[in-house]
Amino acid sequence: GDSVTQMEGPVTLSEEAFLTINCTYTATGYPSLFWYVQYPGEGLQLLLKATKADDKGSNKGFEATYRKETTSFHLEKGSVQVSDSAVYFCALKGKGDTGFQKLVFGTGTRLLVSP
Amino acid sequence: EPEVTQTPSHQVTQMGQEVILRCVPISNHLYFYWYRQILGQKVEFLVSFYNNEISEKSEIFDDQFSVERPDGSNFTLKIRSTKLEDSAMYFCASSPDRGQVTQYFGPGTRLLVL
Repeated sequence: GDSVTQMEGPVTLSEEAFLTINCTYTATGYPSLFWYVQYPGEGLQLLLKATKADDKGSNKGFEATYRKETTSFHLEKGSVQVSDSAVYFCALKGKGDTGFQKLVFGTGTRLLVSP
Repeated sequence: EPEVTQTPSHQVTQMGQEVILRCVPISNHLYFYWYRQILGQKVEFLVSFYNNEISEKSEIFDDQFSVERPDGSNFTLKIRSTKLEDSAMYFCASSPDRGQVTQYFGPGTRLLVL
C-alpha cells in the first residue's frame, strides 16, 4: 500500500539556520503530496502541496519540490525562526476514480529552533 | 477564512462509556473525514463520508465506531464502548469537491479513556 517515510527527529537548529526535512513516498500512480504542520497544542495546518511531478509548493518561506524520479518531497527553508518550532508531517493522497482517497501520513518530524 | 471546528476540545471518559465527537465542516464542503493520532504516533485515517454514506474506512474503524451527519452542518463520530486504546487526538477534515485534493483539518478533540 501507499506509505510515507520521514526523517526521524527531533531536528534541532539555531535561528536563521537552513532546514531540510526529508520525505520519500511509495505509491501507485502519481499521488498529490503535502506538508502539514502541527504547532504545540494545535491541530494540523496545511503548509504546502504539490499535485504533479516537478511542481514546487511554497508557503511562509518553506518550499518542497515533487521529485518523481526519486519519489521525494523534501521540505526546505532558508532561514528558520523560533516560531517555526513544530511537528511537520509529510503526507500523500492517491489519485483514482473515486476521489475519496485518504491521506497517508508520515510519522512526523519535530523541529526545535533555538534563539 | 472558513474553518473546520470541533467540539469538545478535550473529553475524559470511563472505559466502556459511549462518546460522541462533533465536527462542523466548512459549509460548502461535501467530503468529510475522521483521523486519529495516538500520542507520539502518526496520524491515521479512520473513515471518509460522502452523500450520507461511508465511502472508505480503515481497519481501525470497527463496529464500535460510527459516523453520522445528523443535520446540514454537523458531522459526528461515535465510539460505542470506549477502550483504553481509543485515547487519542481525533481530527475531523473536509474537502469541497472531487477535484480538490486538499483536506482542511479541525483543531482536534483530545479523548482520554480511563
